[in-house]
Amino acid sequence: KAGVTQTPRYLIKTRGQQVTLSCSPISGHRSVSWYQQTPGQGLQFLFEYFSETQRNKGNFPGRFSGRQFSNSRSEMNVSTLELGDSALYLCASSLGQLDTDTQYFGPGTRLTVL
Amino acid sequence: AQKVTQAQTEISVVEKEDVTLDCVYETRDTTYYLFWYKQPPSGELVFLIRRNSFDEQNEISGRYSWNFQKSTSSFNFTITASQVVDSAVYFCALSEGGSNQGGKLIFGQGTELSVKP
Repeated sequence: KAGVTQTPRYLIKTRGQQVTLSCSPISGHRSVSWYQQTPGQGLQFLFEYFSETQRNKGNFPGRFSGRQFSNSRSEMNVSTLELGDSALYLCASSLGQLDTDTQYFGPGTRLTVL
Repeated sequence: AQKVTQAQTEISVVEKEDVTLDCVYETRDTTYYLFWYKQPPSGELVFLIRRNSFDEQNEISGRYSWNFQKSTSSFNFTITASQVVDSAVYFCALSEGGSNQGGKLIFGQGTELSVKP
């Protein structure tokens, strides 16, 4: 079974721009979660989507948004980029059962904001 | 509030040494789940183990073993006879049960393990 895939793997943007990252979950997985990893803050939960609906959300500003499509693929968007948004963005997929199940992570997208 | 603490920021050992990575968690829930992930330099988080709060049995998988103790809120990870390939950052994570907590992992700060030949 193919794992979680994320595109692009690397991205360079400038302040004020917006960016869209994509995540394709493991086949059969209906939940997709997004995390931001930075040296200072570590791994932080952004949001989770299940069946095209946002089911849970972390403490990030509204500039961070996401969506999920009917095939469970997910995108996250960051508008008006700031230098502090430079990070590794990780996507994870799981079956999405109500009881917490195991999340499997993709390789991440490394975003650099100049 | 939920919290995961990995007090060891960096550990350096010589190959074949045993090493234990500590993890202490805080939660008010009686139902919760604990995880360990490995992050090699490539960046991808690799799932190692999952434990639920009702299962305090220790687990062994090859050179890896985990010691879950609810009395001390700890979920420690031991690598026996470490190898260079074990060099990575290891994360302990917590998730609380309930439908409104789906998909939300709370991670510790990670322990960077360096195994030297």
